[in-house]
Amino acid sequence: KQEVTQIPAALSVPEGENLVLNCSFTDSAIYNLQWFRQDPGKGLTSLLLIQSSQREQTSGRLNASLDKSSGRSTLYIAASQPGDSATYLCAVYQAGTALIFGKGTTLSVSS
Amino acid sequence: ETGVTQSPTHLIKTRGQQVTLRCSSQSGHNTVSWYQQALGQGPQFIFQYYREEENGRGNFPPRFSGLQFPNYSSELNVNALELDDSALYLCASSFPGQGNYGYTFGSGTRLTVV
Repeated sequence: KQEVTQIPAALSVPEGENLVLNCSFTDSAIYNLQWFRQDPGKGLTSLLLIQSSQREQTSGRLNASLDKSSGRSTLYIAASQPGDSATYLCAVYQAGTALIFGKGTTLSVSS
Repeated sequence: ETGVTQSPTHLIKTRGQQVTLRCSSQSGHNTVSWYQQALGQGPQFIFQYYREEENGRGNFPPRFSGLQFPNYSSELNVNALELDDSALYLCASSFPGQGNYGYTFGSGTRLTVV
């Protein structure tokens, strides 16, 4: 049974810092991994999708990497801003199943 | 192109009642999935519909049921509501049955059972 773990559960940083959020999964037979952002009480906004054949994806100040063999992904946020404050969720997709989510990392960026 | 829309945004129901939540999928997406997200937790998979048929279900009791219509919109029905059903319900759509191109989520319906 696939399990997804995100570390840390919460993170507080001052504005301008570069930071890394971690995601690990127990079964490496995944089709893809997707990072989402969730503002309090809101739905999920897709940030980056990494296919199993890819190693990383970039969008603006965000960079996500995927190491299938070790069951790990990282989301790197450069030059953090207060507007980045949110919960970040990673989810993996396997054939014949649905998305399996971690519990998320809640990020707070102070000005 | 329109994204995934869900209605209503908020709902308060009494224990034992029944509720119907609605979702319109993103244009071109024929697969719809429903998730339940309790406070402080990641979303949990309820079930998925592909071409009007249920083709996957998570660990939820039969009082959670659904429908998908020919235009790919979907409903989630919950009977005999319990206090623990209070959660954010998320709908997601994806391309043909596989999710290989990623999922697009709606803004969710916040259900409170009192």
